[in-house]
Amino acid sequence: GAVVSQHPSRVICKSGTSVKIECRSLDFQATTMFWYRQFPKKSLMLMATSNEGSKATYEQGVEKDKFLINHASLTLSTLTVTSAHPEDSSFYICSAVQGAAGKLFFGSGTQLSVL
Amino acid sequence: QKEVEQNSGPLSVPEGAIASLNCTYSDRGSQSFFWYRQYSGKSPELIMFIYSNGDKEDGRFTAQLNKASQYVSLLIRDSQPSDSATYLCAVNRGASGGSYIPTFGRGTSLIVHP
Repeated sequence: GAVVSQHPSRVICKSGTSVKIECRSLDFQATTMFWYRQFPKKSLMLMATSNEGSKATYEQGVEKDKFLINHASLTLSTLTVTSAHPEDSSFYICSAVQGAAGKLFFGSGTQLSVL
Repeated sequence: QKEVEQNSGPLSVPEGAIASLNCTYSDRGSQSFFWYRQYSGKSPELIMFIYSNGDKEDGRFTAQLNKASQYVSLLIRDSQPSDSATYLCAVNRGASGGSYIPTFGRGTSLIVHP
């Protein structure tokens, strides 16, 4: 299967700082990537759709000024959590779409803890 | 509202048995159907995909699709304790349907006990 690399895997930061998470498709080009967050024992929650060369599309209730998404190339999307607060602590997962049928390949996730 | 329904479980089966996981979906425009496995604390992993009615087999896994009934299932033969995880069903409309955005079910927790 295709490989999606996500870094960092874990980050601990102080309240008010910004954190950048990178998502790379290593062996295929991904026009579309998705960003999810997940709380323990809960479902995946789609945050936004990242499209190469255009602005991200955010789901209802997700603050686009707080969760900045950049899809600068066909293999890289980044999520920046700006001015992080403890309530932003969560597991963030990216996924990249491969092929016309829309197979998703997921990164390994980033556990964000804001103190 | 597009919906994908799964029984949350847990589904408990003994080692060596067949585990049967079921999923229904509401969007008749769905073209692509996927099963993902998610271990606790990890991200999902694609294990099966199916596009046409009928069965698709890959090793111990068989996906079954019935578009008329809007039903997709996953069978795991010779279940192993390492299969214990949450199984997520997902559907999308694909390129021909104009959207890759998947709709996920809430997942079924499978426990395979020795």
